[in-house]
Amino acid sequence: AQSVTQPDIHITVSEGASLELRCNYSYGATPYLFWYVQSPGQGLQLLLKYFSGDTLVQGIKGFEAEFKRSQSSFNLRKPSVHWSDAAEYFCAVGAGNNQGGKLIFGQGTELSVKP
Amino acid sequence: DAGITQSPRHKVTETGTPVTLRCHQTENHRYMYWYRQDPGHGLRLIHYSYGVKDTDKGEVSDGYSVSRSKTEDFLLTLESATSSQTSVYFCAISQAGETQYFGPGTRLLVL
Repeated sequence: AQSVTQPDIHITVSEGASLELRCNYSYGATPYLFWYVQSPGQGLQLLLKYFSGDTLVQGIKGFEAEFKRSQSSFNLRKPSVHWSDAAEYFCAVGAGNNQGGKLIFGQGTELSVKP
Repeated sequence: DAGITQSPRHKVTETGTPVTLRCHQTENHRYMYWYRQDPGHGLRLIHYSYGVKDTDKGEVSDGYSVSRSKTEDFLLTLESATSSQTSVYFCAISQAGETQYFGPGTRLLVL
């Protein structure tokens, strides 16, 4: 069965520290991979995506993610966290228009930032 | 930001009443989706549309129906609302079935 796992429900980091949010997926085909961010009471904003090519992808707000096929992972990283990064982060996997673009989401990781 | 609006943004209703949520887009995207978001579950797909009058079920479609009579509008209907349908509902759009862009959400409380 297709699935996405975000092992960490809640992470707290200090402002200025580095961040890594984990995402593991189970998917039969070559996946399309996404990270979204959601601030409280808001919709989801796309941070970055991977379809093919270079396995290290850059996104908005200084985020990057690395696709590792051997580990079925697509971890999100940021070298220095800002207080405004506090939000919930969702990893998602899809097959593109082969399956109507349907996405499967992880449960989310809530990020808190300490001053 | 993608031109997506959802209405209403908040709604309180009673068990057994019908409820319709509307998603409207100004991007002329082919694909539209309805998700629900619940704590501990992330987002789960309810129904989606791949064109006018073309819809299909998602992971959690029981108790929900949809309609798409125009490219820009995708309606989600709860025929007889239940307390288990209390949730936040998100609409999303996609040009080619790849990257999805999300609306602001509708908070629904079923008493």
